[in-house]
Amino acid sequence: QVQLVESGGGVVPPGRSLRLSCAASGFTFSNSALHWVRQAPGKGLEWVALISYDGSNTYYADSVKGRFTISRDNSKSTLYLQLSRLRHEDTAVYYCARVRVENVYYSGLDLWGQGTTVTVSS
Amino acid sequence: QSTLTQPASVSASPGQSITISCTGTSSDIGDHNYVSWYQQHPSTAPKLIIYEVSNRPSGVPDRFSGSKSGNTASLTISGLQAEDEADYFCNSYASSSTPYVFGTGTKVTVL
Repeated sequence: QVQLVESGGGVVPPGRSLRLSCAASGFTFSNSALHWVRQAPGKGLEWVALISYDGSNTYYADSVKGRFTISRDNSKSTLYLQLSRLRHEDTAVYYCARVRVENVYYSGLDLWGQGTTVTVSS
Repeated sequence: QSTLTQPASVSASPGQSITISCTGTSSDIGDHNYVSWYQQHPSTAPKLIIYEVSNRPSGVPDRFSGSKSGNTASLTISGLQAEDEADYFCNSYASSSTPYVFGTGTKVTVL
């Protein structure tokens, strides 16, 4: 079954860290660029980060640059997002998503996980 | 970081057509054809319905169509159906420090 499954969300105090995971199955994980996208409660979608198929290139939204780190382990077909120095405004559902075409970064995200919820609260 | 501008809401009766605009700049929508559209029903993940301005993924009904003119992209839903009631988001590559941006989102209501 072709799918992405996120995990690792939870409630965390401001300033702390959290690592999200996204486990892939049913497709050639190592050929796909992947993104993280988040959605604050009742709000729209916000792009967070992108990683190339081999992990050699990463890109971030200005709002998370220097605090979040995207990475991947192709041997485990798993994508990660390390969240550090968390702020209240990072509270959101975090989705991982696959680019629809191999070796292309921005052609549309055709496979999404169900999301994992991060709540930053003291 | 920039955000693409969409109308907050659009409504129409079943069978009618609607068009949702997505306004950007010459650094994003106006600069290339990496414009996508997503449909999101409540409490579910977004679904890709248009990629590269006007292409539909397999399985997306042909009543959904996309276009672009200058710095504005558009999504048209023809023959509106009850199941089309959802939020819609545009998305574009951007030649900026944040290379991928989403629109503000449009809530479509089927009357």
